[in-house]
Amino acid sequence: DIVLTQSPGTLSLSPGERATLSCRASQSVSSTYLVWYQQKPGQAPRLLIYGASSRATGIPDRFSGRGSGTDFTLIISRLEPEDFAVYYCQHYGSSPLTFGGGTKVEIK
Amino acid sequence: QVQLQESGPGLVKPSETLSLTCTVSGGSISNYYWNWVRQPPGKRLEWIGYLHKSGNTRYNPPLKSRVTTSVDTSKNQFTLKLSSVTAADTAVYYCARWDDDHKAFDIWGQGTKVTVS
Repeated sequence: DIVLTQSPGTLSLSPGERATLSCRASQSVSSTYLVWYQQKPGQAPRLLIYGASSRATGIPDRFSGRGSGTDFTLIISRLEPEDFAVYYCQHYGSSPLTFGGGTKVEIK
Repeated sequence: QVQLQESGPGLVKPSETLSLTCTVSGGSISNYYWNWVRQPPGKRLEWIGYLHKSGNTRYNPPLKSRVTTSVDTSKNQFTLKLSSVTAADTAVYYCARWDDDHKAFDIWGQGTKVTVS
């Protein structure tokens, strides 16, 4: 199975700052199947980015994704108060669908 | 606007079968892959499996021997049964729709907490 490792585990930032989240795959994966979700406490995950770099419907352009092969990045250009949450990457390909362990973006 | 809602017992005894239903409202259950995902306390999300109204299914190998799913198109519902549960199956269980165009889960239920004890 492909293992997705997210780092850092926790990111402490202030509103207005830039957040850079990493998702590393244990082997090369197709960017077509690399997805990012946001999850707030008590809520279901929300689709942010699909195909590694395409924003889902209604997602603000301060969210962007990039990467290929084994290294993928989610960037939040300027943190808004509503962006403080946990972010998960996910991959689906020939192996079972898997999620990363998550990165918590918390208010500093 | 399509919405998903999970329902089922919040408490299941060890060795028994966990049974959950997901009701799809605001749209048809046809032509999509419907999934179950769970999140144990403090752990990462875990994909359980998917089903399609055609009968096509796929399950996560570690759970495959204990998982059964079904779809009822007349009720716009699909179900999950997980047998021989243990404390390790305690989790929030989500149903989710797979968007094959975007290769992602685009709609999720709110989740239901199931405790095995």
